[in-house]
Amino acid sequence: AQSVTQPDIHITVSEGASLELRCNYSYGATPYLFWYVQSPGQGLQLLLKYFSGDTLVQGIKGFEAEFKRSQSSFNLRKPSVHWSDAAEYFCAVAGGGGGNKLTFGTGTQLKVEL
Amino acid sequence: EPEVTQTPSHQVTQMGQEVILRCVPISNHLYFYWYRQILGQKVEFLVSFYNNEISEKSEIFDDQFSVERPDGSNFTLKIRSTKLEDSAMYFCASSEEGIQPQHFGDGTRLSIL
Repeated sequence: AQSVTQPDIHITVSEGASLELRCNYSYGATPYLFWYVQSPGQGLQLLLKYFSGDTLVQGIKGFEAEFKRSQSSFNLRKPSVHWSDAAEYFCAVAGGGGGNKLTFGTGTQLKVEL
Repeated sequence: EPEVTQTPSHQVTQMGQEVILRCVPISNHLYFYWYRQILGQKVEFLVSFYNNEISEKSEIFDDQFSVERPDGSNFTLKIRSTKLEDSAMYFCASSEEGIQPQHFGDGTRLSIL
């Protein structure tokens, strides 16, 4: 069965600093990978997706993620964090034997210090 | 930009009562989903729906749960006899095609007393 691990439950960064959120997946074939962001009281907003092709994908709000098959990872990065980026970030996987459903990681809560 | 809308935003229900959560997916989307998120836990898949039938469901989605697309625009989740452990945020999502990105609503917070 597919699974997603987000090893960091909480991360705190200073505004303007770079950010990397880790995501590892377990999947038998080529996965479809997603990052979603959830602000308090809000739904899940898609940041970016990887289906195939270029392993470095660009998303909204200045985020990018890199798919590394050898490491089973899909880490999310941003060069300079803004205070408004404080939220919870979820990595998710779909496809193949798991069907269309999304399997989510436990999330990483990002706090931004001014 | 089109969005998924869910009503109500918060539902408080007595244990044992039936509850219906409503969703209006994005109009040209064909695949519909329900997920739930118990407070402090991860988002969990409940059910997917395509072509007027359930295409996949999780072990959480037992006989107490049902889904329906009654009128071509709404997509509902019904819980027949609610339990305390059904308290959670319920998210509806939709996608154009099966593996395309799913767009989520803002959720319905269900509180069972």
